[in-house]
Amino acid sequence: DSGVTQTPKHLITATGQRVTLRCSPRSGDLSVYWYQQSLDQGLQFLIQYYNGEERAKGNILERFSAQQFPDLHSELNLSSLELGDSALYFCASSLAGGRTGELFFGEGSRLTVL
Amino acid sequence: AQSVTQLDSQVPVFEEAPVELRCNYSSSVSVYLFWYVQYPNQGLQLLLKYLSGSTLVKGINGFEAEFNKSQTSFHLRKPSVHISDTAEYFCAVNTRGSQGNLIFGKGTKLSVKP
Repeated sequence: DSGVTQTPKHLITATGQRVTLRCSPRSGDLSVYWYQQSLDQGLQFLIQYYNGEERAKGNILERFSAQQFPDLHSELNLSSLELGDSALYFCASSLAGGRTGELFFGEGSRLTVL
Repeated sequence: AQSVTQLDSQVPVFEEAPVELRCNYSSSVSVYLFWYVQYPNQGLQLLLKYLSGSTLVKGINGFEAEFNKSQTSFHLRKPSVHISDTAEYFCAVNTRGSQGNLIFGKGTKLSVKP
């Protein structure tokens, strides 16, 4: 158990809809990262937050947004969903800025868009 | 920009045989290197990491990896694999001074057969 909690574990929705994925980091971790894992693209970094502030941005679509709340949990919002958004979305956390790279991953939220 | 290439998408091997999973990276600056493992229906967990110092790094479950700067490689090895090592293995990199987000390779599926 990594200590990172993601909900929901599975989500099935239709094209055009909007969903929210939730992540609770390990106790004491200030940084939260979101990754998307798909068969064709592999693991893609989406976005990082550190203590409530956006720290780094990767290949995140404009239809997607995220935030980190004062209690350090984070949410990833996916809107106007397309079939190609079907993927496993991972949240990871690290103590500080993660400069030594040890990220702790949750078990993921599997999104299926029909 | 950094990138990671895992040369083999699938590696089948018999139980108790040695295995090497190959990883090459591209970066113009100094890097930190990592191997993560993903068991079926689980998140990623850290196997080992290279930050500095000795180029031979030992990790959990009997795995080790060697950093070779001249060949920009970080191959993962295990002298004798078990059925329980069946999983997907990801090589990852981040650069020193970066915000901590990892760039992952596309993964290598290790299949250990009895």
